[in-house]
Amino acid sequence: KAGVTQTPRYLIKTRGQQVTLSCSPISGHRSVSWYQQTPGQGLQFLFEYFSETQRNKGNFPGRFSGRQFSNSRSEMNVSTLELGDSALYLCASSLNAVDNYGYTFGSGTRLTVV
Amino acid sequence: DQQVKQNSPSLSVQEGRISILNCDYTNSMFDYFLWYKKYPAEGPTFLISISSIKDKNEDGRFTVFLNKSAKHLSLHIVPSQPGDSAVYFCAPLEGGGNKLTFGTGTQLKVEL
Repeated sequence: KAGVTQTPRYLIKTRGQQVTLSCSPISGHRSVSWYQQTPGQGLQFLFEYFSETQRNKGNFPGRFSGRQFSNSRSEMNVSTLELGDSALYLCASSLNAVDNYGYTFGSGTRLTVV
Repeated sequence: DQQVKQNSPSLSVQEGRISILNCDYTNSMFDYFLWYKKYPAEGPTFLISISSIKDKNEDGRFTVFLNKSAKHLSLHIVPSQPGDSAVYFCAPLEGGGNKLTFGTGTQLKVEL
């Protein structure tokens, strides 16, 4: 079966711009989580959506937002980009939040802010 | 506040020998622990997990041990293979939680 698909794979943006990243979960998976990986902070949780509702949010500024559609696909948006937002953004899907075996990650979107 | 620490940033092991990766945590609400393997520019891949009601879980060459009183877990890989070279993360979950808290990672290098 198809895995978690993230698009685009690479992105270069200018400071002050905004960006939207997309994640298509594994078919049947209703939970989608987003993580940011940077060399300095490691892998950090951004937010989690289940059935179009945000259920949990990490410690990130309001410039980071997300949403989930009825087909479970998710998008995350970063507005007013800063150089420090350069990172690998990872999406993970799961059947549901308590399915502890089911966190499957996509290959990520590498965002570079210049 | 780093709730999950992997104190060895890197580890080098010879092929065929045992690799032991350690993880310490501070949050007593964690009750499920996952290990992920990650290559550069790729997403983490699930390896093995353990529930807090167990102290050991084994899957092929991978065994995870949990010492809940010490808030410590370890991943044993035996025998180690060159393809195991990657960054390994422990990632606990709180009870009923939906958020993985990743450790700082250990870069494992298995040499021929």
